[in-house]
Amino acid sequence: KAGVTQTPRYLIKTRGQQVTLSCSPISGHRSVSWYQQTPGQGLQFLFEYFSETQRNKGNFPGRFSGRQFSNSRSEMNVSTLELGDSALYLCASSLDNRWTEAFFGQGTRLTVV
Amino acid sequence: GIQVEQSPPDLILQEGANSTLRCNFSDSVNNLQWFHQNPWGQLINLFYIPSGTKQNGRLSATTVATERYSLLYISSSQTTDSGVYFCAGGGSARQLTFGSGTQLTVLP
Repeated sequence: KAGVTQTPRYLIKTRGQQVTLSCSPISGHRSVSWYQQTPGQGLQFLFEYFSETQRNKGNFPGRFSGRQFSNSRSEMNVSTLELGDSALYLCASSLDNRWTEAFFGQGTRLTVV
Repeated sequence: GIQVEQSPPDLILQEGANSTLRCNFSDSVNNLQWFHQNPWGQLINLFYIPSGTKQNGRLSATTVATERYSLLYISSSQTTDSGVYFCAGGGSARQLTFGSGTQLTVLP
């Protein structure tokens, strides 16, 4: 079956703009999480959604937001982009609301200039 | 929150050598996973191993949950094993906390 799909794969934006990233989880998976990876901070948790509800949020400013749709697809939005937002953004899907194995997409590489 | 410490940070091996990567957790975790990050950035699942031992080909992993650590063994390493290996675990909050990774380089 298809894996986790993230679009777009690459993105270049200008400082001050906003961006929306998309994640389609594995069919049947209802939990979607987002992570940011940078050389300096490593992999950091952004937020997690289950059944269209945000259940957990990491330590990121309010410029980072997300949502989940009824088909479990998720989007994350970053407003007023800063140079430091340049990163690889990874999405993970899990089966349900219990602790189960997480599967990651290929990521979206965002560059802010 | 949970702290995850991975060691060693860097490892250089000759092809055919064996290696052990370690992951220590500051608190109990409800799940534990090992990943290999490919050159394009995707995290490839190696093991989901909250406890016990699993093997998959030349790779095996052991988690001792009571002592809060996990080990990843790579035997007869190949150049294609090169890359960054991450362990990650989750506590009471539904989020994975990642270690800083082990950069493995296998020389031909």
